[in-house]
Amino acid sequence: EVQLVETGGGLVQPGRSLKLSCVASGFTFSSYWMYWIRQAPGKGLEWVSSINTDGGSTYYPDSVKGRFTISRDNAENTVYLQMNSLRSEDTATYYCAKDGGPYNYGFAYWGQGTLVTVSS
Amino acid sequence: IQMTQSPSLLSASVGDRVTLSCKAGQNINNYLAWYQQKLGEAPKLLIYNANSLQTGIPSRFSGSGSGTDFTLTISSLQPEDVATYFCQQYNSWRTFGGGTKLELK
Repeated sequence: EVQLVETGGGLVQPGRSLKLSCVASGFTFSSYWMYWIRQAPGKGLEWVSSINTDGGSTYYPDSVKGRFTISRDNAENTVYLQMNSLRSEDTATYYCAKDGGPYNYGFAYWGQGTLVTVSS
Repeated sequence: IQMTQSPSLLSASVGDRVTLSCKAGQNINNYLAWYQQKLGEAPKLLIYNANSLQTGIPSRFSGSGSGTDFTLTISSLQPEDVATYFCQQYNSWRTFGGGTKLELK
């Protein structure tokens, strides 16, 4: 059974940093791209970052580019999201996800999410 | 790529046939998914590649459309279908629509 468990959320002041972790199990982690998606309270979903299987390629929307960094440790079955220069608008529940592959690039598996609150 | 969902709120009765719309700002080559999100839960994938039913999803859910216009249909609404539904394109990076909240009339 695929499981994704996020940790690392919490209350952080504007301008500070936070690192999220997502531990995966139940599938061959090193064979799949991994993703972070966030959802502000009462709002819609926003893709935050993607990382390929070996960690050599990463992608971000303009809203977080230059501030957030996704990485992975295939030996530990873990994907990370380093968030720097946090802003109030980064307040959200952060989910890690994987696609359903092959040929199914929808986010078939999601973690339970971890809440990040950026406030002074 | 901008994704626009309509309506934002939909009220329907148990047993109704329900149709939700999603329009892409440009051709997304059927790289479209639909998700259901219930209050306090992570989203659940219902449909991928515009019309393929995800494993374990009831057959009353179906997806259709191509190019820029897509539809999610629930053939007979059940009480447990009350949720917010999001579409998402994966033709160019990933973008979600704003969602349609489905409630019982």
